[in-house]
Amino acid sequence: AQSVTQLGSHVSVSEGALVLLRCNYSSSVPPYLFWYVQYPNQGLQLLLKYTSAATLVKGINGFEAEFKKSETSFHLTNPSAHMSDAAEYFCAVRNSGGYNKLIFGAGTRLAVHP
Amino acid sequence: DTAVSQTPKYLVTQMGNDKSIKCEQNLGHDTMYWYKQDSKKFLKIMFSYNNKELIINETVPNRFSPKSPDKAHLNLHINSLELGDSAVYFCASSQGMELEAFFGQGTRLTVV
Repeated sequence: AQSVTQLGSHVSVSEGALVLLRCNYSSSVPPYLFWYVQYPNQGLQLLLKYTSAATLVKGINGFEAEFKKSETSFHLTNPSAHMSDAAEYFCAVRNSGGYNKLIFGAGTRLAVHP
Repeated sequence: DTAVSQTPKYLVTQMGNDKSIKCEQNLGHDTMYWYKQDSKKFLKIMFSYNNKELIINETVPNRFSPKSPDKAHLNLHINSLELGDSAVYFCASSQGMELEAFFGQGTRLTVV
């Protein structure tokens, strides 16, 4: 069965600093991986997805993630944090069964301070 | 022109009551979902419908009954509400086996 582990429930960075949010997955088959962002009192918005094409995936708002099979990781980065990036970030893996079901990590809250 | 819309956004009710949450998507998708987000922000799928047929039912109490009158709508009815049902419920949709799901804004249910 697939699972996702997000290391660090809270990450705090300065505005303009590098953002690194960690995600490790467990999957017996090549995974499909996603990062979603949830702003306060909002729904989830897709940031980016990995679907076995390029291992470096670019998303919205300057975010990107790199799929590393050897490390079973899909870490999310942004070279320069903005105040508006403060939100909850979820890593998810799609189940390998016949139906499209997302299995989410516990989330990482990103705080950006001036 | 909201893609996935849920109503109501907030719902406060007493234990033992029955309530419904409605969801509509205008994306033309054929698959819809209900996810539950608990107080620790953990997200877990509850149900999924494909072309009005229930395809995922994840160990959810029988008090929860989804209904899909057509491909664009998926409602969630909850009987005999309990304190532990307090959570944010998200509706989502996707097109068949396409990978990404589009989420609604969520319904914050508080049972008192």
